Amino acid sequence: ETGVTQSPTHLIKTRGQQVTLRCSSQSGHNTVSWYQQALGQGPQFIFQYYREEENGRGNFPPRFSGLQFPNYSSELNVNALELDDSALYLCASSLDLDNEQFFGPGTRLTVL
Amino acid sequence: AQSVTQLDSHVSVSEGTPVLLRCNYSSSYSPSLFWYVQHPNKGLQLLLKYTSAATLVKGINGFEAEFKKSETSFHLTKPSAHMSDAAEYFCVVSNRDDKIIFGKGTRLHILP
Repeated sequence: ETGVTQSPTHLIKTRGQQVTLRCSSQSGHNTVSWYQQALGQGPQFIFQYYREEENGRGNFPPRFSGLQFPNYSSELNVNALELDDSALYLCASSLDLDNEQFFGPGTRLTVL
Repeated sequence: AQSVTQLDSHVSVSEGTPVLLRCNYSSSYSPSLFWYVQHPNKGLQLLLKYTSAATLVKGINGFEAEFKKSETSFHLTKPSAHMSDAAEYFCVVSNRDDKIIFGKGTRLHILP
């Protein structure tokens, strides 16, 4: 049991809509990273938050945005959804930067 | 810039025989290297990590990997495969100043 939880588990949206995915970090972890895993691919790094500040970003457009709250839970927001945004979105928390990441089970997003 | 290449998308071995999953990396700096396993409908789990200490790294479930700088490789091995090892395996490279890069994954099949 990793202790990282994500909600919802599954989600269906239509093109152009906006979506918010949530992640609850393992207790005591101050770092959270978000990944997108398309079908048959490895996870791609979206961004990382450390103590409520963005600390690195992958090659994703600005319509992918995030927040980390004082309790270190986190949100991933995606605006103007596109069909290619359909994927498994993974959240991972760690005790600090450079520490082992613990992954949640993911949210499966389908965009129609 | 950094990248990671998993040389096989699928590997099939018989139960009780050795496992070899190949990974080559490219990195401008001294990298940290990881192997993760993903079972169906479960979160990613860290198998082992290399962070510039011993070049032979032992992980969980009998897996190990050897960092070979001259060959820029970090292959994952296990002496004797078990049915429960069937899963998707990801090689990951990262360093403090760059993004976290996952390989495309290798699907390991265990034949009875």
